[in-house]
Amino acid sequence: DTGVSQDPRHKITKRGQNVTFRCDPISEHNRLYWYRQTLGQGPEFLTYFQNEAQLEKSRLLSDRFSAERPKGSFSTLEIQRTEQGDSAMYLCASSASGATDTQYFGPGTRLTVL
Amino acid sequence: AQSVSQHNHHVILSEAASLELGCNYSYGGTVNLFWYVQYPGQHLQLLLKYFSGDPLVKGIKGFEAEFIKSKFSFNLRKPSVQWSDTAEYFCAVPYNTDKLIFGTGTRLQVFP
Repeated sequence: DTGVSQDPRHKITKRGQNVTFRCDPISEHNRLYWYRQTLGQGPEFLTYFQNEAQLEKSRLLSDRFSAERPKGSFSTLEIQRTEQGDSAMYLCASSASGATDTQYFGPGTRLTVL
Repeated sequence: AQSVSQHNHHVILSEAASLELGCNYSYGGTVNLFWYVQYPGQHLQLLLKYFSGDPLVKGIKGFEAEFIKSKFSFNLRKPSVQWSDTAEYFCAVPYNTDKLIFGTGTRLQVFP
């Protein structure tokens, strides 16, 4: 069990640019979650996958955001035309199945939009 | 909709003091409850969880939490804190059996 990994750990970009983050879950975990955390707040749910199927998207996830999980393995989160309000820590978590299972979190990707 | 409230935003204690962090949730049905901890520079990790059974749950590093259904509470406790407990603590509840709803967190600072 190598844990959940995320890449990159930090990303600084200019407003209007596109960015993509990657998450590698724990290998046997079927569920993969994306959360966003801003300073002074708890993580907020963005979206989640059961294997390769994206089952739910939060209203926080505007159409500039897209997530994929091809083949039910790693996942990517892309933000198009970034805005300063997108600056946050983007967290990935995985679990074996539903919410009764512990979600294991990665270290996060800190995005700064200038 | 499910919501989680943590009323203690910032707690400052001396080593050996007792700790209690409040967590209240809004949902009245079957409840699963979690406490996560984030140490400085580290990722979120599970401290303890409640699913059913004994309402007093013991977690790692001497932490415990008590589920009180009548009060919609799941307060975190530790009888004697250490400097290494300095961290941010989050209470969380699953919503729609899937995603976690987190509280705003409590920042704990412990001074030697």
